Amino acid sequence: DGGITQSPKYLFRKEGQNVTLSCEQNLNHDAMYWYRQDPGQGLRLIYYSQIVNDFQKGDIAEGYSVSREKKESFPLTVTSAQKNPTAFYLCASSSPGQGRNQPQHFGDGTRLSIL
Amino acid sequence: GQNIDQPTEMTATEGAIVQINCTYQTSGFNGLFWYQQHAGEAPTFLSYNVLDGLEEKGRFSSFLSRSKGYSYLLLKELQMKDSASYLCAVRGSRDDKIIFGKGTRLHILP
Repeated sequence: DGGITQSPKYLFRKEGQNVTLSCEQNLNHDAMYWYRQDPGQGLRLIYYSQIVNDFQKGDIAEGYSVSREKKESFPLTVTSAQKNPTAFYLCASSSPGQGRNQPQHFGDGTRLSIL
Repeated sequence: GQNIDQPTEMTATEGAIVQINCTYQTSGFNGLFWYQQHAGEAPTFLSYNVLDGLEEKGRFSSFLSRSKGYSYLLLKELQMKDSASYLCAVRGSRDDKIIFGKGTRLHILP
C-alpha cells in the first residue's frame, strides 16, 4: 500500500546534539512538508518542498534544516540551535499536479523529547 | 501577514449538530481543507472547498465564503467518536504552502 513512513516513532535528544527525523513516501507526490505540533496546538509549518533539490522555509524554520535529494525522501534535522525541540513532528505530502483539491497525506508522526 | 482563526474548544451533545467556524487572512487563496485529528494521531482529511458554497459529505458539510474569508464545518448526528480536534488549513495561490489554524477541540457529551 502507498503511504508515508516516519521514523522513529519516539526520539530523545541530548543537549547540544543534532537529530534527524526520517520521512519517506511512495505515493509519487511532488510536494512534501514538515510541521511541528505542540500540546493542544495546531500544526506550524517548518519547511516545505515542491520539487526535488528545492525547498522553502515555513513559519518556524529557525533551528531546523532539510534536504530533498530524492522525490521520495524529505529528512528533517533538528539542530542544537533549536532550544525547545520537544514536540510532535508530522511529515506530509501532496500532489497538486493532480488537482488543487488533493489533500495532504500525513505520516504517523515522530515524538521528540529532550533528555 | 497570514492568520487563520478557529475557536479553541467547543462542547456539544451526542445526536446534536455543531458548527465550527474558521476565518482566514492569507496571501492568496487556492483552497481550504478541514481535517480531523484524534489525540496523538495524524490528521485525516474531511473536506475541501475552493468555490463559494456548501460541500456535503455524509454527516459532514463544509461551507466557504471567499469574499468574507470564512468557512465552517458542520457535523450532524454527533457521535462520541467525533470527539477530536478539527483543523482548518488554507493553501496559498502562488505555491503549495499550506497553513493550519490552531484547531478546535470538540468535546461530545452523552
